[in-house]
Amino acid sequence: GQNIDQPTEMTATEGAIVQINCTYQTSGFNGLFWYQQHAGEAPTFLSYNVLDGLEEKGRFSSFLSRSKGYSYLLLKELQMKDSASYLCAPHNTDKLIFGTGTRLQVFP
Amino acid sequence: KAGVTQTPRYLIKTRGQQVTLSCSPISGHRSVSWYQQTPGQGLQFLFEYFSETQRNKGNFPGRFSGRQFSNSRSEMNVSTLELGDSALYLCASSLVPGNEQFFGPGTRLTVL
Repeated sequence: GQNIDQPTEMTATEGAIVQINCTYQTSGFNGLFWYQQHAGEAPTFLSYNVLDGLEEKGRFSSFLSRSKGYSYLLLKELQMKDSASYLCAPHNTDKLIFGTGTRLQVFP
Repeated sequence: KAGVTQTPRYLIKTRGQQVTLSCSPISGHRSVSWYQQTPGQGLQFLFEYFSETQRNKGNFPGRFSGRQFSNSRSEMNVSTLELGDSALYLCASSLVPGNEQFFGPGTRLTVL
């Protein structure tokens, strides 16, 4: 079967670093996407990992371990605008499978 | 380049009615996927179309159907609406299946 697990909610302080973990089980794994979704808006693409390791893109980095079925999204120098839901989405040969997302609240 | 557009943005229907939602992908994108998003279930995959063919289908009843036209525009239809169909319906396009998906703003459907 296919299963995705990520924390439901997280809180952090402005300027801090936060790591959002995602574990997954899926057949025919091709890669893993991370999307950001602000309340009332559509998801927007953050990153895509195919190979093991860390991909850095500005304040956001994403890590993948294919053998462990594990990924994380690292957000540095948090800003208030980073308050949003973060969706982990493994991609198998058929489709993207989205987790229920992690709602991150950033406080001043 | 224009983004993914969806019409209508908001819709109110009553139980038993049917509804058709439309999605225009980014120019040049040939793959269109549809998702249902509800607070408790997150983003649930409905189906994916590529080159006018349904490539994949999620675990939804046959009341949910869709199609894709030669210009890559897509429609989804829900017949015999139920209260539980109230949700945000999101369309996403990509160049080809498996590439980064770009989401439209969604259609908020309310079934009374």
